Amino acid sequence: GAVVSQHPSRVICKSGTSVKIECRSLDFQATTMFWYRQFPKQSLMLMATSNEGSKATYEQGVEKDKFLINHASLTLSTLTVTSAHPEDSSFYICSAEGQRGQPQHFGDGTRLSIL
Amino acid sequence: GQQLNQSPQSMFIQEGEDVSMNCTSSSIFNTWLWYKQEPGEGPVLLIALYKAGELTSNGRLTAQFGITRKDSFLNISASIPSDVGIYFCAGFAGGTSYGKLTFGQGTILTVHP
Repeated sequence: GAVVSQHPSRVICKSGTSVKIECRSLDFQATTMFWYRQFPKQSLMLMATSNEGSKATYEQGVEKDKFLINHASLTLSTLTVTSAHPEDSSFYICSAEGQRGQPQHFGDGTRLSIL
Repeated sequence: GQQLNQSPQSMFIQEGEDVSMNCTSSSIFNTWLWYKQEPGEGPVLLIALYKAGELTSNGRLTAQFGITRKDSFLNISASIPSDVGIYFCAGFAGGTSYGKLTFGQGTILTVHP
């Protein structure tokens, strides 16, 4: 089945650090990838939609300069949290839309902890 | 924006019991998806529903796409401890590709041995 790999699975870093999270579709090409943020015991909150070769579309209230998204190839999208602060600590999950007509498949998430 | 109302928010059941959860919407969806998420992991697709009235099974799981296209339910029969997790419904409103999904709030399932 469709596999989405997300790396790293956990990051702990100091306030002010920039953190890059990678999302890869391993066995299919993903023209569209999605980035979500999730707080404990809550639903997934869509942050942005990432299309290969074009600028990401951010949801209302998400700072595009804070959360930089790059989708340089059909199998890789990256999310960079710039100058991270403790309030950015969260669980970040990516998903990829594979072949047309197939549902999104999710990565295993990245637990980001900013000290 | 579109919202999905998922209920119940949580369930505490004994092993062997059947479970039922549902999602309703004020607007129509063309596709309903059910995902399960375990702690520290991403959601895993359980069942995808594409047509109104469709009833689909995946092992002990059964899900249906409501006739009105505004609701869906998921049943789990003969629950086992490994069914523990958060179950999310998700809907896609339209278009030729999946695009943005709308998620329910999730149902936290606890199964006591």
